[in-house]
Amino acid sequence: GENVEQHPSTLSVQEGDSAVIKCTYSDSASNYFPWYKQELGKRPQLIIDIRSNVGEKKDQRIAVTLNKTAKHFSLHITETQPEDSAVYFCAASIIDMRFGAGTRLTVKP
Amino acid sequence: DAGVIQSPRHEVTEMGQEVTLRCKPISGHDYLFWYRQTMMRGLELLIYFNNNVPIDDSGMPEDRFSAKMPNASFSTLKIQPSEPRDSAVYFCASSLRQGQNIQYFGAGTRLSVL
Repeated sequence: GENVEQHPSTLSVQEGDSAVIKCTYSDSASNYFPWYKQELGKRPQLIIDIRSNVGEKKDQRIAVTLNKTAKHFSLHITETQPEDSAVYFCAASIIDMRFGAGTRLTVKP
Repeated sequence: DAGVIQSPRHEVTEMGQEVTLRCKPISGHDYLFWYRQTMMRGLELLIYFNNNVPIDDSGMPEDRFSAKMPNASFSTLKIQPSEPRDSAVYFCASSLRQGQNIQYFGAGTRLSVL
């Protein structure tokens, strides 16, 4: 089955800096790659997704890139703010969705 | 739509007791997923349904766990008998179409088995 690896497990940045989270997946048939943000004690919420026919997608300060050849995709957050502090999960989907282990992002004011 | 609704939000029970978690998916969604989240194992897919039919239950940890979806608007996840290692947050999610569509998560049930 699909295996998703996510790095780093923790990330600390200064407010205003950029943050990058990387994921790799194992099954080349995966065709949908969402990113979820989970604040403490809350549910995971989708922040951005990318499909296999697109290499890059941007939404304001958030961007995701996908390299199907290398089977990896990344989340980029620019101009980070304290409210970006949360755990971020990547996922890869063919039939069912498999999640990475999560990255705890801390943005220091 | 109120989104995916789970109940109860918190459940505290004693080892050996039966626990039933409930989920109401978003109206019109064909897929329903049950996940378990722990610090050690992250977000694990337990089982998912398509049009009320269980499609893949390979993530269900053992026979003590069972899930049903008697109709399009209701699903249950049952643990019998419960054990302390079952303590976790259990999420239900639904989507219009699996694989290419967004999964919307419920608020989760925090289960503590003493």
